[in-house]
Amino acid sequence: DAGITQSPRHKVTETGTPVTLRCHQTENHRYMYWYRQDPGHGLRLIHYSYGVKDTDKGEVSDGYSVSRSKTEDFLLTLESATSSQTSVYFCAISESRVSGLGGNNEQFFGPGTRLTVL
Amino acid sequence: AQSVTQPDIHITVSEGASLELRCNYSYGATPYLFWYVQSPGQGLQLLLKYFSGDTLVQGIKGFEAEFKRSQSSFNLRKPSVHWSDAAEYFCAVVGGADGLTFGKGTHLIIQP
Repeated sequence: DAGITQSPRHKVTETGTPVTLRCHQTENHRYMYWYRQDPGHGLRLIHYSYGVKDTDKGEVSDGYSVSRSKTEDFLLTLESATSSQTSVYFCAISESRVSGLGGNNEQFFGPGTRLTVL
Repeated sequence: AQSVTQPDIHITVSEGASLELRCNYSYGATPYLFWYVQSPGQGLQLLLKYFSGDTLVQGIKGFEAEFKRSQSSFNLRKPSVHWSDAAEYFCAVVGGADGLTFGKGTHLIIQP
């Protein structure tokens, strides 16, 4: 299994509070991603990173920010959590671009963080 | 914009029977397609992927998928399912933001 950990694994918080989720990898992969999973929606991309300090928005980025100061860590921050952000959050990593023709474009997923915003 | 449709929310199959999970995509160019499996409370595991070449792709755990450009489909198959195959299955296509665009998933139930 790819070395990906997410912390915390479970969190309950209140509306309006800031929340930071952490993704840590030991694979030295360049690309990292944050997805959210909701019933009836599958997984949707929030933000992704293509290197240290290089990030970009995904499909559902409103209300979220990210930071990547080291190769191994990718942080997802909810500045002011809302109930609509109750979800399961997955981090993923890949060695090369997922659209690349090389063989190392597989995305490996972490175990997920279940976030409940009351 | 690219999109993925998995028409079946739930599928029930008897153990030992064959399986086919449907996936249709919408994408302008040659698609890069994936099937992932998610067991309860777990992350996602890649079953197989299609980038180019042979349209019949073999994956792990005895799964295969066939890319049909004329039908915009990438259906997942297995000749004989096991109780351990019960899980959520996701089809995905490479999205424009360099991440993946996922279908909504198909929940597979195995009857004894």
